[in-house]
Amino acid sequence: DIVMTQTQLSSPVTLGQPASISCRSSQSLVHSDGNTYLSWLQQRPGQPPRLLIYKISNRFSGVPDRFSGSGAGTDFTLKISRVEAEDVGVYYCMQATQFPLTFGGGTKVEIK
Amino acid sequence: QVQLQQWGAGLLKPSETLSLSCAVYGGSFSGYSWNWIRQTPGKGLEWIGEINHSGSTNHNPSLKSRVTISVDTSKNQFSLKLNSVTAADTAVYYCARLFTGGEFRNSLGYWGQGTLVTVSS
Repeated sequence: DIVMTQTQLSSPVTLGQPASISCRSSQSLVHSDGNTYLSWLQQRPGQPPRLLIYKISNRFSGVPDRFSGSGAGTDFTLKISRVEAEDVGVYYCMQATQFPLTFGGGTKVEIK
Repeated sequence: QVQLQQWGAGLLKPSETLSLSCAVYGGSFSGYSWNWIRQTPGKGLEWIGEINHSGSTNHNPSLKSRVTISVDTSKNQFSLKLNSVTAADTAVYYCARLFTGGEFRNSLGYWGQGTLVTVSS
């Protein structure tokens, strides 16, 4: 199985400040079709996960443009340009390049 | 607007069979795979398996021997059965839709609300 590893933020984030979340996979996520099936999901308290970003850097429908994704191969980043109160929650990376689908352990975003 | 509505028994005894169903409202039933994922405080999010509209399945090898995923296209529903449950199967179970083609291929775009299943004697 591909292991997805996420680190925790060093401290809560001040409103309006940026946040950066990292994710690393145990092997390359480049699929044989040339795509990299790395997604980012947001889970607000008491809610199911919600798709934010697909294929590394594409925002899903209705996702604010303060969210952006980047990376390649095995190293990926989700950035929130200016954190808002509604961004509080846990963020997960997920790979769907290879079965079984696997998720990172989550990174909690809290407001200072 | 696509909605996934799930239901099933929330309290089981060890060795019983977990049974959950998920109904899909809005959008086509074909052209996607229909997934089950569970979440525990200890292991986080764990993919259980998927089924497409024609009944082809993939399962997580860690659970495969205990899992049955089925589909009823006439009702736009799919179901999960997990047999011989133990306390380790206590989790919130989610159904979710995976795009299998197009721009959003291999992303889990829509999720059910989740069902807490507790296994306790």
